[in-house]
Formats: sequence, structure tokens, C-alpha cells
Amino acid sequence: ELKVEQNPLFLSMQEGKNYTIYCNYSTTSDRLYWYRQDPGKSLESLFVLLSNGAVKQEGRLMASLDTKARLSTLHITAAVHDLSATYFCAVEGTSGTYKYIFGTGTRLKVLA
Amino acid sequence: EAGVAQSPRYKIIEKRQSVAFWCNPISGHATLYWYQQILGQGPKLLIQFQNNGVVDDSQLPKDRFSAERLKGVDSTLKIQPAKLEDSAVYLCASSPTWGEAFFGQGTRLTVV
Repeated sequence: ELKVEQNPLFLSMQEGKNYTIYCNYSTTSDRLYWYRQDPGKSLESLFVLLSNGAVKQEGRLMASLDTKARLSTLHITAAVHDLSATYFCAVEGTSGTYKYIFGTGTRLKVLA
Repeated sequence: EAGVAQSPRYKIIEKRQSVAFWCNPISGHATLYWYQQILGQGPKLLIQFQNNGVVDDSQLPKDRFSAERLKGVDSTLKIQPAKLEDSAVYLCASSPTWGEAFFGQGTRLTVV
């Protein structure tokens, strides 16, 4: 059974600092998604990573995927308050099923 | 493009009562998901439809939960009878046969 773990669970950081969120998963998969969720809101798709070595960047966020290590990272560069949210990774359970298993989430708070 | 529509947005019921949620996916999306998100946790997949057939319902508590997808479009999720631990946000998502899932606003259920 696929397990998806994220760390840290909580992250409080100062504006302008850099940090990385990690997403580890337990079985082979080559399809991973990152979502953002604001309090009381639904999930917003951030990145789609479809192959080993994939790297996507949008603004201050950059996501990468290492399928051999079963690891994805979400790197935050020069954090700003607007990035405060909960970030989830989701991994496809079995290739071709489009069944997505979500991680535990990382609650990010950027302090001004 | 219209997003995933869900109703109602909020629902408060007493334990042992029944409740139903409705979802209208993005037009043309073959896959529809229902997720349960308990406060502070990641979304947990309850059921996945491909067109109007069930692909995966392994995490659906079938003694009290049921779901159907009408004509491969709209879907309803029902709980009968509800328990206190069913208090959560119920998220509907849809995706093309291949691609990321897009989420609705969710229905926040409180069981008292």
C-alpha cells in the first residue's frame, strides 16, 4: 500500500528566507502533483511532475522529482507572506489508475 | 471554463441522520473522485469513478456511505446513518482521463 509522507509538518519562516519541503513515498510511481490549500479553501494545483528528473518552477516555488529515491521537493526561495498556506503532495498509486494518494501536508507560515 | 461545483457548502446534522452531497464535475472529465478531509489531515480518497463505473472504493465505509455517478456526469455521495467521526470536508474532484485533478470548494459536514 502506497504511503506518502511529508516533512516538516509545520514550518514557520521569516520573509526572505529559503526552505525546502520534502515528500517521500513508499512504492514506485512516476507521477506526482503538488497542491496548495488556503484555510477554509479547496486545493489549487501548483505543479505536475511526470518523469524522473522533472523540475518545474513558478515564481518563488520550484518542484522536482527523483523517482529512484521516491522523493519530491518543493523549494521556496525568498519567502513572502502570501505563500503562507498548507502544501500537499499527491502521488499516483499504481501507474495508469489515476488514483492519487495525498501526503500529510506541510503547514507553512511566513512571518513578516 | 467552469470549475467543479459542489453543494451544499455547509451542513450540520445530528448523529444517525442521513445526508447527501452533490458534485458536478468539469465538462468532459471522465474521472471523478470523492475525498474526505478531516481537519489537519490530507485528503483521503473514498471513491473513484471512471465515466459511470467505479474504479476504486476500497476506502469507502460501505456500511454507511454510498455513491453514484449519474450518466457519467454528476455524482452524489450519501451517508446514512452519520457518526460523529464523519465530521469533515468532503471534496469532489475531476480529471481528464490523463491529467491532474481539479477540486471543488468542498462541503463542510458537522455531525453533532
